[in-house]
Amino acid sequence: DAKTTQPPSMDCAEGRAANLPCNHSTISGNEYVYWYRQIHSQGPQYIIHGLKNNETNEMASLIITEDRKSSTLILPHATLRDTAVYYCNPSGNTGKLIFGQGTTLQVKP
Amino acid sequence: GAGVSQSPRYKVAKRGQDVALRCDPISGHVSLFWYQQALGQGPEFLTYFQNEAQLDKSGLPSDRFFAERPEGSVSTLKIQRTQQEDSAVYLCASSGFEGLRQPQHFGDGTRLSIL
Repeated sequence: DAKTTQPPSMDCAEGRAANLPCNHSTISGNEYVYWYRQIHSQGPQYIIHGLKNNETNEMASLIITEDRKSSTLILPHATLRDTAVYYCNPSGNTGKLIFGQGTTLQVKP
Repeated sequence: GAGVSQSPRYKVAKRGQDVALRCDPISGHVSLFWYQQALGQGPEFLTYFQNEAQLDKSGLPSDRFFAERPEGSVSTLKIQRTQQEDSAVYLCASSGFEGLRQPQHFGDGTRLSIL
């Protein structure tokens, strides 16, 4: 299973873009990169996933480097409700998610 | 609501007691996962079901932990002879296909405290 490295914490001003990096240098060819977030006392919430192409949905954009060793989650206009712990999770055929320590994003007014 | 439902939301037990935690997945979801989340840590995988078959139980920390999903829908995680280190939030997730690529939908967990 691929290991991940994320900064433990980040701050972002409300209304600005939040860019959350993740290093997954040991990712294997069949593993997708999934991003989840967890707000206090709730279960993790799915955000987005991708294999090698950049992806965008109504919540966020995902940029994956060409060598697939790292990715960046972009929240284009962060709001206070985006304050959470963000996890990147490589996942292969079993679907099992391997969570690291995540990044605590604090959005400030 | 159509989300993953877990019960009880909170459970307090004395050391040595047995506990049972229930998960109601999203209707029709084939895959079901259990995770354990210690305070201040990310969730850790425990076990995975595809329908009623338990395909991966590599994350169960000891033989005191047992999970079942007899009819391929509701699942129960049982912990026998609980110990203090079992105190954690236990999360259940389900996904729509055979664990492949479909995002997992999580419940809000059962917070287990062992006294």
